[in-house]
Amino acid sequence: AQSVTQLDSHVSVSEGTPVLLRCNYSSSYSPSLFWYVQHPNKGLQLLLKYTSAATLVKGINGFEAEFKKSETSFHLTKPSAHMSDAAEYFCVVSDGYGGATNKLIFGTGTLLAVQP
Amino acid sequence: DAGVTQSPTHLIKTRGQHVTLRCSPISGHKSVSWYQQVLGQGPQFIFQYYEKEERGRGNFPDRFSARQFPNYSSELNVNALLLGDSALYLCASCPEEDYGYTFGSGTRLTVV
Repeated sequence: AQSVTQLDSHVSVSEGTPVLLRCNYSSSYSPSLFWYVQHPNKGLQLLLKYTSAATLVKGINGFEAEFKKSETSFHLTKPSAHMSDAAEYFCVVSDGYGGATNKLIFGTGTLLAVQP
Repeated sequence: DAGVTQSPTHLIKTRGQHVTLRCSPISGHKSVSWYQQVLGQGPQFIFQYYEKEERGRGNFPDRFSARQFPNYSSELNVNALLLGDSALYLCASCPEEDYGYTFGSGTRLTVV
């Protein structure tokens, strides 16, 4: 069965410093992986997705993630945090090969706080 | 283009009542999924519909049901509401060949 584990429930950084949000996955085949962001009282926004193409995936708002099969990891990074990045971030795996007929399995979320 | 739209945005119901939540996918998207997000947790899969057929069901009781209409919009129905059904209900749609789901802003259901 597919699953993801987000290693930190809370991360706090200062504005202008790098962001690292950690995610490990478990999958019996090559997974489709995603990062979603949720701002307070909002829906979910797709940041980026990995679907077996390039292992370094670039997303919106300067975020990127690297798929490392040997480490079963898909960590989310950003070189310089902005106040507007404060939100909850979810690492997500698709239960199949991706596409319109697969369900998404969410991690427990990482709450990112950005200090001025 | 309009995104995924959900209605209503907020809803307060009494225990034992029934509720219907509605979702309109992005134009051209044939797949609609429903998720429940309890406060402080990640979303949990409830249902998926593709081309008006149920393609998946999560670990939810039979009080939860859904359907998809010919125009690909969808309804989620919950009967005999319990306090524990209080949550944000999210709808997502996906194009046939893509791997990224687009979520609506959700319906906040409070059961009192």
